[in-house]
Amino acid sequence: GNSVTQMEGPVTLSEEAFLTINCTYTATGYPSLFWYVQYPGEGLQLLLKATKADDKGSNKGFEATYRKETTSFHLEKGSVQVSDSAVYFCALTSGETSGSRLTFGEGTQLTVNP
Amino acid sequence: DAGITQSPRYKITETGRQVTLMCHQTWSHSYMFWYRQDLGHGLRLIYYSAAADITDKGEVPDGYVVSRSKTENFPLTLESATRSQTSVYFCASSHYEQYFGPGTRLTVT
Repeated sequence: GNSVTQMEGPVTLSEEAFLTINCTYTATGYPSLFWYVQYPGEGLQLLLKATKADDKGSNKGFEATYRKETTSFHLEKGSVQVSDSAVYFCALTSGETSGSRLTFGEGTQLTVNP
Repeated sequence: DAGITQSPRYKITETGRQVTLMCHQTWSHSYMFWYRQDLGHGLRLIYYSAAADITDKGEVPDGYVVSRSKTENFPLTLESATRSQTSVYFCASSHYEQYFGPGTRLTVT
């Protein structure tokens, strides 16, 4: 079955530091990969996605590259801000329909200090 | 308001009581989902629905019941609440991308 493994948290950084959150996956076929972000007290929002190998998803300064050879989709940002403090979830779906089910990782809590 | 809403946002109930969590979306998305979020487990799928009157079990369906008589609503019922069902519950609807509601924090005492 499908599974997603994220690096253990929590992660605490100073403002303007470089961020990497590791994500590896196990899936059949050719999954699509996602990063979701959850700000305090809110639901999840899609941050970025990649649908095929070597695709790079990017949004709000965050990037992740779909690496099929290493089954990874690590999230990076060059300079984090206090407003980036949130929980980040890596997820995948192996279907291509609008109702494809998502498999989530455990989430990584990020705290950015001024 | 457009989007996906959940009610109530917070609920405290006693063991053995029946509780219904509501989910409403205004986009007419065919697919809807219920997840629970627990520390150390991420989000786990409880039930999902492909259309009105079509529902199916997810990863952790035991103790939950769903119905979907209208496309826009997807209520989740805990028939006899247990402490292990204390969690944050998220509803989502999908049109290739899943859109999440704000969540319901449920405490079972």
